Amino acid sequence: TQLLEQSPQFLSIQEGENLTVYCNSSSVFSSLQWYRQEPGEGPVLLVTVVTGGEVKKLKRLTFQFGDARKDSSLHITAAQPGDTGLYLCATLPGGDKLVFGAGTILRVKS
Amino acid sequence: SQTIHQWPATLVQPVGSPLSLECTVEGTSNPNLYWYRQAAGRGLQLLFYSVGIGQISSEVPQNLSASRPQDRQFILSSKKLLLSDSGFYLCAWSVRGGRYGYTFGSGTRLTVV
Repeated sequence: TQLLEQSPQFLSIQEGENLTVYCNSSSVFSSLQWYRQEPGEGPVLLVTVVTGGEVKKLKRLTFQFGDARKDSSLHITAAQPGDTGLYLCATLPGGDKLVFGAGTILRVKS
Repeated sequence: SQTIHQWPATLVQPVGSPLSLECTVEGTSNPNLYWYRQAAGRGLQLLFYSVGIGQISSEVPQNLSASRPQDRQFILSSKKLLLSDSGFYLCAWSVRGGRYGYTFGSGTRLTVV
């Protein structure tokens, strides 16, 4: 079983729609990271959340860390084609080794 | 500023041939270095990580090996490639602890034929 479960696996929406993707676990984490990866490139860090209940905003992206620090969500408002990519959540369960979820593939159609 | 270089970008190799992928980091000292493999554009699997020169930890038994001959150089190798070694290989670095995130290279698409 995956340490981090991401849902949905795939999402295809029209430009201008809102969406939320989720990252869940049965374990408690000290922090959670979100990355976006475009085809043929490496993942790029978007945000790190460390406090239960924390909300961080990055332009049209809103990240939330669950109160119990077992889950996180990423909400995109008015999605644009440039938001297309693979969204990965990741955590450090112990030590320096980052563990990733399987990701959500987002496609935004114009 | 820190940068990470990974090459080549794409590689097609026959089964049984050797492999050498190189990754270098600039602008930082004593980084943690990592090799990940990504299959079918989904999650990343950690293959090797290193906290210093000559210090390599393997996460998954496989046909690959890694070396760190210099502080900011990380090499992924194989003596004889298998078809199952095909994939997208990513190098990354972080400061100690990793809590500030990883910085990834642009990846190598390896196809074993």
